[in-house]
Amino acid sequence: QQQVRQSPQSLTVWEGETAILNCSYEDSTFDYFPWYHQFPGESPALLIAIRPVSNKKEDGRFTIFFNKREKKFSLHIADSQPGDSATYFCAAKNNNNAPRFGAGTKLSVKP
Amino acid sequence: EAAVTQSPRNKVAVTGGKVTLSCNQTNNHNNMYWYRQDTGHGLRLIHYSYGAGSTEKGDIPDGYKASRPSQENFSLILELATPSQTSVYFCASGNYEQYFGPGTRLTVL
Repeated sequence: QQQVRQSPQSLTVWEGETAILNCSYEDSTFDYFPWYHQFPGESPALLIAIRPVSNKKEDGRFTIFFNKREKKFSLHIADSQPGDSATYFCAAKNNNNAPRFGAGTKLSVKP
Repeated sequence: EAAVTQSPRNKVAVTGGKVTLSCNQTNNHNNMYWYRQDTGHGLRLIHYSYGAGSTEKGDIPDGYKASRPSQENFSLILELATPSQTSVYFCASGNYEQYFGPGTRLTVL
């Protein structure tokens, strides 16, 4: 059962553009929505996360937009750089269960 | 910062053999997790644990067992390894934020 859906599967943008990665979820009890990034040959690492008390979370060039009513959240990467090229995973979690991960988006930023 | 280590980092096993993957965390997290990562499937949860002595089945537990003998250690056991279990395995710890280990690349021939 896929509780977190992620799109697109792959995304290519030019340096300087904004990359937009999307996720949706089903379980309304989820209360923590992180994004992880994974560079080739490395393990996933937390990039940014949001709780549903907010509809926006910013950290430098990275912003999460959260829509509780539609059960959707997205990661916007402004001024994309070639060094941002990686696979990005969204996830959702509540206090009682293991996290649910999306299938990942492979982002390529062309110089 | 949380420290999660895994051993071995690489393993080649034969079909039908027993494989044990080990994970150790030094941040005193109650929750620990085992995932496998395959191209096109993202991170799939195999087993997880809420503390010493507890193990829970994840989404794809068939063919795997888990053991949590202490707060720090969480093992994944393949009693009869099969080629379909060739994958990269990640251990993670944490309640909300996940701290991942470096991964174990397992090849079953």
